[in-house]
Amino acid sequence: EAQVTQNPRYLITVTGKKLTVTCSQNMNHEYMSWYRQDPGLGLRQIYYSMNVEVTDKGDVPEGYKVSRKEKRNFPLILESPSPNQTSLYFCASSLSSPRTEAFFGQGTRLTVV
Amino acid sequence: KQEVTQIPAALSVPEGENLVLNCSFTDSAIYNLQWFRQDPGKGLTSLLLIQSSQREQTSGRLNASLDKSSGRSTLYIAASQPGDSATYLCAVETSYDKVIFGPGTSLSVIP
Repeated sequence: EAQVTQNPRYLITVTGKKLTVTCSQNMNHEYMSWYRQDPGLGLRQIYYSMNVEVTDKGDVPEGYKVSRKEKRNFPLILESPSPNQTSLYFCASSLSSPRTEAFFGQGTRLTVV
Repeated sequence: KQEVTQIPAALSVPEGENLVLNCSFTDSAIYNLQWFRQDPGKGLTSLLLIQSSQREQTSGRLNASLDKSSGRSTLYIAASQPGDSATYLCAVETSYDKVIFGPGTSLSVIP
């Protein structure tokens, strides 16, 4: 089944403790992206990747890192999480750039206390 | 800077009614516009993708139109059903391969 898989689905952590949210897709897509969704602010793009070893900042990249060493994986890293990073995070992929249908993961609800 | 807005923010209609959701964007230099559906606690599902050179796309009871020059798109849902209840989001791809989402319209279809 074609899908985008995020892990974990739920995470509660403490301020400053490094964490990684994994994202994997099995569709051989070139384009992958991370978003956060907050009430009243909607979905905002954090980082995106056009292909392996190619990443770029979205609208809200501060406090986040990403890497794209393999085509299928695009982890989101929070080196020192803060409470303002409490949010619902989505990973998405599409065949080539966003100019094709996007597939979204189920989301990761992160709480930083 | 590209901004995307959606009207109305929320909509409640009786089952069977036809309805229109609106999406507006400030910069007409877009590559495409996508309409998504989001169910509570779930991820997003792509409904329709309209390339910048296209005027509309159709899928079943859904029809989306795009007017780049005026910065508008509409999603038309025919013969609405309770299963259509969800939040509908539009998103535009900018010339820098970034994606900007609108805030969404929360739709409730009453049986």
